[in-house]
Amino acid sequence: DAKTTQPTSMDCAEGRAANLPCNHSTISGNEYVYWYRQIHSQGPQYIIHGLKNNETNEMASLIITEDRKSSTLILPHATLRDTAVYYCIESRAGGGADGLTFGKGTHLIIQP
Amino acid sequence: NAGVMQNPRHLVRRRGQEARLRCSPMKGHSHVYWYRQLPEEGLKFMVYLQKENIIDESGMPKERFSAEFPKEGPSILRIQQVVRGDSAAYFCASSPLAGGETQYFGPGTRLLVL
Repeated sequence: DAKTTQPTSMDCAEGRAANLPCNHSTISGNEYVYWYRQIHSQGPQYIIHGLKNNETNEMASLIITEDRKSSTLILPHATLRDTAVYYCIESRAGGGADGLTFGKGTHLIIQP
Repeated sequence: NAGVMQNPRHLVRRRGQEARLRCSPMKGHSHVYWYRQLPEEGLKFMVYLQKENIIDESGMPKERFSAEFPKEGPSILRIQQVVRGDSAAYFCASSPLAGGETQYFGPGTRLLVL
């Protein structure tokens, strides 16, 4: 079973920042926090990952609390195409060595 | 650089037939993962393979399901004697190295068992 906790659904207005929280209070020291999203009927898409420090790429920013028990994915300017289910996943050794454990994720709906 | 490729994208089988799902990893990737997504449910890990080796098949049903990743060619997920409960989307992911590398997913194969 997934070890992360996410809200079931969230709404966000188009053009605003979407902030998606995730609790991972039992995360181990060698586990990364990974974010994927799945747009309806498509394969999961990698977004971003981090260990301790905040991370930013062309898609999103990831803010990890100092105690690493929670994190927030930020989509800075949400568009309608960002409507998807977003998954927060703990993964040992960066995710390449194990199968990923997907929970139910957060269904993010971007409103026009 | 082409992404992970899966074929067929849609597959229809009658109960009792065999289903073969193929996955070609991204160029340079030697690790393949298979996941299943039942209707209205989340993705579940099935099996992790490297070239010619099964590393972890803890999520694979014990009967009727098998997977391989030969030295040459795509990875194959094989389902024998399909039943209606096998109807699902099957996703393949690949990564370049073991440990510390992100998994990239293909578009999936949607299997429908009549």
